[in-house]
Order: sequence, then structure tokens, then C-alpha cells
Amino acid sequence: AQKITQTQPGMFVQEKEAVTLDCTYDTSDPSYGLFWYKQPSSGEMIFLIYQGSYDQQNATEGRYSLNFQKARKSANLVISASQLGDSAMYFCAMRGTIQGAQKLVFGQGTRLTINP
Amino acid sequence: GAVVSQHPSRVICKSGTSVKIECRSLDFQATTMFWYRQFPKQSLMLMATSNEGSKATYEQGVEKDKFLINHASLTLSTLTVTSAHPEDSSFYICSAAHTRKAFFGQGTRLTVV
Repeated sequence: AQKITQTQPGMFVQEKEAVTLDCTYDTSDPSYGLFWYKQPSSGEMIFLIYQGSYDQQNATEGRYSLNFQKARKSANLVISASQLGDSAMYFCAMRGTIQGAQKLVFGQGTRLTINP
Repeated sequence: GAVVSQHPSRVICKSGTSVKIECRSLDFQATTMFWYRQFPKQSLMLMATSNEGSKATYEQGVEKDKFLINHASLTLSTLTVTSAHPEDSSFYICSAAHTRKAFFGQGTRLTVV
């Protein structure tokens, strides 16, 4: 079965600092995708970044980058130069290709708070 | 990114009534959509996979007769919570896949009184 683990329930970071949110996963699928989403208090799920298991390079999207270490089965999200608006819940998710193709399995989430 | 629209964003209904939630893919076609439920301070739990033109696939423990799913077109899936009770109060959110990525609707906060 697929599993996503986020071990940081909460993170507190000073504005303008970089922050790394941890995510480890477990799957037997040979091909899979890894996602990060931001969920502000409004509840919407905002897509941040995607990494395919066979992608050669780590994904980057503006201030977001994904530190993908396949051998360690980790897909940490790095946010550079954090801003007050980055305060939210962050979810790591995985999609397999064999076990329930396309559906996402989510981690428990990390609540990020940016302090001024 | 692709746009998924969900309506309504909030609904309050009386116990015993039914509530319909719509999920639309606005700029792409989605043969498959997903419905999730999220309790306060918890993660998203998949309820069912909505398949265009065929029956939905429900996750273990989800009552098919309580959560009716209809995927009548390539851009619309609906979730109907039938005979709603206070324990059905939750945040419901849909998603659709597009170009390897999954995009979500805005979510619906259901309160059953």
C-alpha cells in the first residue's frame, strides 16, 4: 500500500528565512508522482509543485523546490525567502500508477507559521 | 494551471435533507474526478473515484447509498449527500487530473443542523 509520512506537525520560521518541510513515502509502484499542496484557512488546495519518479531533475516552481531523493524515498519541499503569506497547512501527496491510478494519498500535513 | 470549480462553497442544511455538490473542470475534460472529505485539523481522505459514464468506485467504509456520485459529462461530477445528519458535517473537496497533475476545487463546507 502507498503511504506518505510528514513528521512535522508544526513549523515556525522567521520571515525571509528558507524552510524545509519533510515528506517520506512508501510505494511498490515502479512509477509514481509526488505533489505538494498548500491549504490556507479558506480550505482550498493550492497546487505548488510536482515531481515524477523518473524525472531527471528536481522540480522547481518559483520559490518552491522539491528535494527529491529517490533512494531515501523522500520528497522534501523547500520554500526560499519565506513570506507571511506562506503561513498555511502544507500537504505532501503521492499518486501511483498501478495501485489506484491517479488517486492521491496524502500525508498528515504540516502547519507552517511565518513570524514577522 | 487547470481550473476546477466547486459549488457551493458553504451550505447549511437541516438533518434529513439531501445536499448536492457540483464539481466542474472549466478548461479541460476529466474522465475521472475524485471526492475527498476532510475533518477539522486532519488530512484529506479519499471517498470515491467518479468515472464519466460509469459507476463510481467507493473507498472502503464509504456508504454508497449515502454519498451518491454522478459523473454525467466530461466536465461535471456531482456528490449528493442523502439524508444528511450532523455527523456528515465536514469539508468536501473534489479534484481532477490534468497533464500529470491533480487540481482541486475550492471545497464545500457542509454543516448539518
